[in-house]
Amino acid sequence: DTEVTQTPKHLVMGMTNKKSLKCEQHMGHRAMYWYKQKAKKPPELMFVYSYEKLSINESVPSRFSPECPNSSLLNLHLHALQPEDSALYLCASSHKVNNRVLGTEAFFGQGTRLTVV
Amino acid sequence: AQSVTQLDSHVSVSEGTPVLLRCNYSSSYSPSLFWYVQHPNKGLQLLLKYTSAATLVKGINGFEAEFKKSETSFHLTKPSAHMSDAAEYFCVVSETAGNKLTFGGGTRVLVKP
Repeated sequence: DTEVTQTPKHLVMGMTNKKSLKCEQHMGHRAMYWYKQKAKKPPELMFVYSYEKLSINESVPSRFSPECPNSSLLNLHLHALQPEDSALYLCASSHKVNNRVLGTEAFFGQGTRLTVV
Repeated sequence: AQSVTQLDSHVSVSEGTPVLLRCNYSSSYSPSLFWYVQHPNKGLQLLLKYTSAATLVKGINGFEAEFKKSETSFHLTKPSAHMSDAAEYFCVVSETAGNKLTFGGGTRVLVKP
């Protein structure tokens, strides 16, 4: 199984709503990532979890709150978002960082298309 | 610090003709390099990777790339384009001493019948 599964595929939410994006992988990867991608742009890193601990936060606003309940799951909790937060949110996973033997390539999910109204 | 420059934001080719997507990188350490493809409204799929083994790397769907350290380049090629190759392509660098992927700006490929 080389899949990263993201749910939901599409999400429309109001600026006062609370919602969550979910990501799951069963490849035994111990590094998991959230990226944000605006139209016609490359993905931008938001967060990195390594061994279920937050290792990188790229100065993301607090209205985005990541959570890694276990080694297979990654959530992104959303609250009080702005219309400019509308984007494709991608989850990715890889073997533990710096793993020359197993490789460092990231496997990406299909993304959640988020629209904030 | 690491960086990636994709020299062409758009490439247009005719079906059956060769494709060349150019990528130059900058890295302080021995890098790993990747090419990913993204079809509209989809996630990213790994095409191929270089991790300090053979400099000519073969990937999926007939793509290959050559790592040239002297030129700090990692260009992607395919001998014969197919309509299904129309997509966005990203060149990505990862320093083996670090844990972040750095993306190039992307190249949009259009394939004409």
